Amino acid sequence: DGGITQSPKYLFRKEGQNVTLSCEQNLNHDAMYWYRQDPGQGLRLIYYSQIVNDFQKGDIAEGYSVSREKKESFPLTVTSAQKNPTAFYLCASITSYGYTFGSGTRLTVV
Amino acid sequence: QKEVEQNSGPLSVPEGAIASLNCTYSDRGSQSFFWYRQYSGKSPELIMFIYSNGDKEDGRFTAQLNKASQYVSLLIRDSQPSDSATYLCAVNRGNDYKLSFGAGTTVTVRA
Repeated sequence: DGGITQSPKYLFRKEGQNVTLSCEQNLNHDAMYWYRQDPGQGLRLIYYSQIVNDFQKGDIAEGYSVSREKKESFPLTVTSAQKNPTAFYLCASITSYGYTFGSGTRLTVV
Repeated sequence: QKEVEQNSGPLSVPEGAIASLNCTYSDRGSQSFFWYRQYSGKSPELIMFIYSNGDKEDGRFTAQLNKASQYVSLLIRDSQPSDSATYLCAVNRGNDYKLSFGAGTTVTVRA
């Protein structure tokens, strides 16, 4: 089945540590997006990529980094510069009818 | 002013009733609009999209768009307990399909 796979489902980060969230898709979509969701807030755009080897900052890119070396993969690194990383992270790709989301990664700082 | 605003709820409706959800947006140039359903702890899933003024029906769901008033709504007819979820309104900001999301309206359907 085609879809977006995010891993891990749960991730715990220590203070000062960088962590990488995986996002893989087999839908052959060009554009991919990373969003963050906090309780009681809408999804906020972190980074997006419309083509391999190119990506743009979203509304809240500070403390995050991405790469797009392959069409299928769009990993997100949460760096130690992100002061409040605890959130639900969602990866998405675009279809003619809107986004398809992965199942998400819940990141918690311990 | 937030780009997309929704009443946070919770909206409680009896089983079989109509649930009405509202959404307003600030960018008058927005062209496409989406409603997502999100169950607790899960990722959002698309239930409706609408591009043109007027109504669009899909099963028990009807989306209504009024671009002049910058208003989009979702009606859920014959509400079922399985409709209990948070409903997110999203608006396309431009050609690169960056979506702006509202904070969501939580709907509870009581049996």
